[in-house]
Amino acid sequence: DAGITQSPRHKVTETGTPVTLRCHQTENHRYMYWYRQDPGHGLRLIHYSYGVKDTDKGEVSDGYSVSRSKTEDFLLTLESATSSQTSVYFCAIRDRATSSGTGELFFGEGSRLTVL
Amino acid sequence: QKEVEQNSGPLSVPEGAIASLNCTYSDRGSQSFFWYRQYSGKSPELIMFIYSNGDKEDGRFTAQLNKASQYVSLLIRDSQPSDSATYLCAWKAAGNKLTFGGGTRVLVKP
Repeated sequence: DAGITQSPRHKVTETGTPVTLRCHQTENHRYMYWYRQDPGHGLRLIHYSYGVKDTDKGEVSDGYSVSRSKTEDFLLTLESATSSQTSVYFCAIRDRATSSGTGELFFGEGSRLTVL
Repeated sequence: QKEVEQNSGPLSVPEGAIASLNCTYSDRGSQSFFWYRQYSGKSPELIMFIYSNGDKEDGRFTAQLNKASQYVSLLIRDSQPSDSATYLCAWKAAGNKLTFGGGTRVLVKP
């Protein structure tokens, strides 16, 4: 258990409304990630963070913003939700590098967002 | 061109047989490769990682990496119905981001 909690787990909202998803971790990991998963596209990186207030864009960042004011929380915000943002969102943390130096990702349980 | 290519399947294998999954990647700078298993409605979980050319075995799973040909594969020996899932390959180049393929759905039939 990597100590990752996502909230909310399920949300239905309407087009044009703001939405914030929260990822909370309890083990002081430096790196945190937000991915979205859609049929046929696998997992695509939205944004990631490498420390408090240090974030960077992934491959599908348009329409999303993130914030990390504390080590344990990484927030993903959809400023004005669109139907194309209907997806399952996964938060992940990067474990401390193993002896091989790989540092694999561990995922939260996911947040299913439906934008009507 | 996608950075990581996987056959989406489904790959149907009889119980007890070997399931063979392949993944090709485009970045020759790739350093580490991962295989994740994802059950329907669940989050991905790591089952194997490999960073050196050749084979790496862990129980019924064997990962194979060929950097010259830019592919990584996963063999599941003695497939069980509980192995039915989607398998995602991922690679990590320089930096701290993982790129994922679309996943291969595996169905193990009793």
